[in-house]
Amino acid sequence: GAVVSQHPSRVICKSGTSVKIECRSLDFQATTMFWYRQFPKQSLMLMATSNEGSKATYEQGVEKDKFLINHASLTLSTLTVTSAHPEDSSFYICSASTATGANSPLHFGNGTRLTVT
Amino acid sequence: AQSVSQHNHHVILSEAASLELGCNYSYGGTVNLFWYVQYPGQHLQLLLKYFSGDPLVKGIKGFEAEFIKSKFSFNLRKPSVQWSDTAEYFCAVKNARTGTASKLTFGTGTRLQVTL
Repeated sequence: GAVVSQHPSRVICKSGTSVKIECRSLDFQATTMFWYRQFPKQSLMLMATSNEGSKATYEQGVEKDKFLINHASLTLSTLTVTSAHPEDSSFYICSASTATGANSPLHFGNGTRLTVT
Repeated sequence: AQSVSQHNHHVILSEAASLELGCNYSYGGTVNLFWYVQYPGQHLQLLLKYFSGDPLVKGIKGFEAEFIKSKFSFNLRKPSVQWSDTAEYFCAVKNARTGTASKLTFGTGTRLQVTL
């Protein structure tokens, strides 16, 4: 089956630094990738949708200058949390889709737990 | 905007007990509905989905869910749970007419703990 690899699985960084999270589709080409954020005991909140070769579409309330998304190839999307603060500590999950149809299946990565100290 | 409510946050059952996890959504249009499962340390996996047709859908590992349009519900059921079903379960909804790639709205999740 389709596999999405997310790296790193855990990262601890100091306040003010930037952290990059990678999301790779290992055995398929992902035309679209999604980035979600999950706070403890809350649902997954969609942050942005990225399409290969174009700018990401951010959900309302998500700062595009803080959460930089680059979908440079059909197998890799990156999320960079810039100038991280403790309130950015969260669980970030990516998912990937092979097509743009309404019924296209989603494949999820294992998530990245970010802790900002 | 659509939203999803999962009322059970943490459920503890003994093996062989029956399971029903509630899921209600709010959206006035046509929806696609999903249940995902996340086993400890693993990624989200699709359990089952409803797009159209028979409102009772069967998924993997003996799970099923029933779409009741009048109640805006899509409850997940399993007649007899196993210890290996211990996981977090997420209900999700999507606008069925979304032309772009799948944009899912998730519920807060239900942690199922099955005891031996």
